[in-house]
Amino acid sequence: QKEVEQNSGPLSVPEGAIASLNCTYSDRVSQSFFWYRQYSGKSPELIMSIYSNGDKEDGRFTAQLNKASQYVSLLIRDSQPSDSATYLCAVINNAGNMLTFGGGTRLMVKP
Amino acid sequence: ETGVTQTPRHLVMGMTNKKSLKCEQHLGHNAMYWYKQSAKKPLELMFVYSLEERVENNSVPSRFSPECPNSSHLFLHLHTLQPEDSALYLCASSQDGQGGRKQYFGPGTRLTVT
Repeated sequence: QKEVEQNSGPLSVPEGAIASLNCTYSDRVSQSFFWYRQYSGKSPELIMSIYSNGDKEDGRFTAQLNKASQYVSLLIRDSQPSDSATYLCAVINNAGNMLTFGGGTRLMVKP
Repeated sequence: ETGVTQTPRHLVMGMTNKKSLKCEQHLGHNAMYWYKQSAKKPLELMFVYSLEERVENNSVPSRFSPECPNSSHLFLHLHTLQPEDSALYLCASSQDGQGGRKQYFGPGTRLTVT
C-alpha cells in the first residue's frame, strides 16, 4: 500500500466550477499535511498547509482534513485555466522528519 | 522566486563524467533536502540535512554523494551515473529541522545521462 495516494487524473472541470482533489494516507499518526501545485516543467509550489481536523480557507482554496478517515482534500472554487497543473499531496511521517508525497493529480480547467 | 536557487538548470552528462549540482537557500532555514522526480513517479526523497548533519539518506546509490558545508548550501556530487538517473533533481529547504515543516523548493536541475 502506498503511503500517500492520489488519483492521477486528469481531472477536467469547466472554468468557474469547483475542483475537488482528494488524498488518502496510511500513517494514522501523521500530523501535518500540505498541498503543492506543480506546473509542467516547474518545481512544486506550496499552496496550503493544514494541521487540524476541519476546513482551512485561503482565498479560492480550501483544505479539508479528516484524521479519523485519513483523508485530506483540496477544493478550488471558481476554477481558472491558470489553475491547470498537477497538485501534490504531502504528509509528514510519524517520526516528523520526512515529507512523503503522493503521485499527484493532474487538473485541467477548460475555458 | 522561493528564495532557493539551483545551478545548473540543465545538465547533460555521460556515464563516465563527474559533475556536481548546487543549491543555495536565502531563507535562513536550517534544513535542506534533495529530491528526485522521474516521469510518472512520485517525488522521492534522497537526502535530508538538518543543522548541517545528514539525517536520512533513504538508501540512495553511492554514485550520488551529498555535501552540506553550511546551512545555506547543499551539493549533490554525481559520478558514473546510469541513464535511469535522468530526472529532475529538486532541492528544498525548511525551518525547524524536523524535516517536514513547510518546505520550499528550488527550480530544479534537469539532468540527462547519455
